[in-house]
Order: sequence, then C-alpha cells, then structure tokens
Amino acid sequence: QSVLTQPPSVSGAPGQRVTMSCTGSNSNIGAGNGVHWYKQVPGTAPKLLIYDNSNRPPGVPDRFSGSRSGTSASLAITGLQAEDEADYYCQSYDSRLSGPYVFGTGTKVTVL
Amino acid sequence: EVQLVQSGAEVKKPGESLKISCKNFGYSFTTYWIGWVRQMPGKGLEWMGIIYPGDSDTRYSPSFQGQVTISADKSIGTAYLQWSSLKASDTAMYYCVRRYSWDAFDVWGQGTMVTVSS
Repeated sequence: QSVLTQPPSVSGAPGQRVTMSCTGSNSNIGAGNGVHWYKQVPGTAPKLLIYDNSNRPPGVPDRFSGSRSGTSASLAITGLQAEDEADYYCQSYDSRLSGPYVFGTGTKVTVL
Repeated sequence: EVQLVQSGAEVKKPGESLKISCKNFGYSFTTYWIGWVRQMPGKGLEWMGIIYPGDSDTRYSPSFQGQVTISADKSIGTAYLQWSSLKASDTAMYYCVRRYSWDAFDVWGQGTMVTVSS
C-alpha cells in the first residue's frame, strides 16, 4: 500500500504538455525529502528520470522537468513524443517508516 | 560501464526455497547501498529492502520483513534476495537497484522474473 498517490493515467497529443502529480504527506515529501521520478517502458526496467525534485541525470532530455511544493511533487513533459508513452513512478524517503523508501502508485502516460 | 546484472528467470513450486543474485560491474560495490524492488504482474513498484555491502547493514520494508532475506558477498560484488518457502503470491519481477545520492536509485538491474506455481 503506497503512501505516495499518483493519478492512474494522463494523456496528450504529440507536441502537447502533460503533467502528473505525486501526493504525499508531512513524513515524506512534506518533510523536505527529495522526490525522484522513474520512467518504465512496458517489458523493461525502470530508468531514473529526475532526482532530488528537479535534477535530470545525463542523457535525459530537458523536455522532462520536476518540481516540489508542500506535500506534493509534479512531473511535466513538454513537447510530448510517441516514445514518452510509458509508466511513470515517483519515489521518496519516508522518515516515519523503518523501511524508509516509498514509491508512488504510478501514472500511465498515453500519447494520442 | 556501471551495471547491475541479475540472475535468470526462475520457475519454482510453492514451499521451495530460492536465492536470486545481482552482480555489480563498473563501480566499487562496497560504497553504495543495493536495494530490491518487487513488481507483481501488471502492478506498480514496491520497495522491499536494502543492504550496505560494506558492513552488511540491512533494512527491510515492514511489508517484507521476515518474508525475505537480503544479503551480500563483497568478495564477489554480488547481492542476493532469498526466500525459504515460496508462495504463489511471490510471483513477480524483482529488480536490484543502486542507491545514489539523495536516496534515488540510479542503476537498475534488468530484472529477474520469479514464477511460483504448482
């Protein structure tokens, strides 16, 4: 049972901008813990997309951006492309838990 | 190249034991935490636990405490996830991951599919 809630799906036409949220609580995102985002193409392992709220690892296009505010975070994709169709997961650290890492419920992005 | 390479797919019967592996390449094994993530068929990611190979300090998600054992052999740069008695509900893809700075997971293994069926 995840403590980070994401919308099940978002969709957009090629070229459009889509956003997805990741809602937590005062023990994880609201405590100032970093939020990280992963992209998973079906049948493959997840890949780190954004770390520490808004930083992109080398090789990740700047079409992907992240932000955090209060107990929530969001991921935006601008200039949506066919290859962006995938599942996206947020992840953070929860200081209330003894096993402290938590993933979001995941959002399916569909390119129309 | 930094990689985590996992052992191959397994098909087991309920009640059997299993140990899957995750070998590092391209970085110092003892200086990064290694975690395990479960993904049941058609479902999301679940964090299971993590180990620091340098001193074998291990933490478990409450959901997996007592259900699995995480270990590491630093002499061969390999982490392990094991079950003493598998259940059908253990059927899933299991990923090993390297914990990067800021508690993100920057390197993922290719995954090991475990199928438990009578």
